[in-house]
Amino acid sequence: GAVVSQHPSWVICKSGTSVKIECRSLDFQATTMFWYRQFPKQSLMLMATSNEGSKATYEQGVEKDKFLINHASLTLSTLTVTSAHPEDSSFYICSAGSGRSYEQYFGPGTRLTVT
Amino acid sequence: QKEVEQNSGPLSVPEGAIASLNCTYSDRGSQSFFWYRQYSGKSPELIMSIYSNGDKEDGRFTAQLNKASQYVSLLIRDSQPSDSATYLCAVNKGRGKLIFGQGTELSVKP
Repeated sequence: GAVVSQHPSWVICKSGTSVKIECRSLDFQATTMFWYRQFPKQSLMLMATSNEGSKATYEQGVEKDKFLINHASLTLSTLTVTSAHPEDSSFYICSAGSGRSYEQYFGPGTRLTVT
Repeated sequence: QKEVEQNSGPLSVPEGAIASLNCTYSDRGSQSFFWYRQYSGKSPELIMSIYSNGDKEDGRFTAQLNKASQYVSLLIRDSQPSDSATYLCAVNKGRGKLIFGQGTELSVKP
């Protein structure tokens, strides 16, 4: 299957600061990437769809000014959590599809802790 | 009604048995269905995709799809302790967007 990487794998930050998470497709080009958030013992919740060269599409209830998404190339999408608060602490996971099928491949995830 | 529903479990089976995981979905127009496995603290890993009615087999895994009943299942034959994980059913909602069920926790006892 396709390989997707994420960086960092974990991060601790203070309340009020911003954190950037990178998602890369390593062996294929991804015109579309997806960002999910997962709280403990819960399923994945889609936050937004990241489209190369255009604005991201956010799911209902997700603040686009708080979760900034940039998809500058066919292999890189970034999620910036701005003015992070403790309630933003979660497991953030990106995924990408190769375009040949509807299969999505997930990055290893980033565990964010806001103190 | 949730768009994708699964029994949360936990489902416990003895080693070597068949584990049966079930999923129902609400959108009758859905065309693509996926099973992911997620170990604790890790991200999901794609196990199977299925697009047509019937069975699709891959090693010890068999996915079954019944669009008339809006039902997808995953069978794991000869279950191993290493299969212990949460299994997530996902449905493509269009433009690649996946909607996930809440997941079924499987425990395979040696």
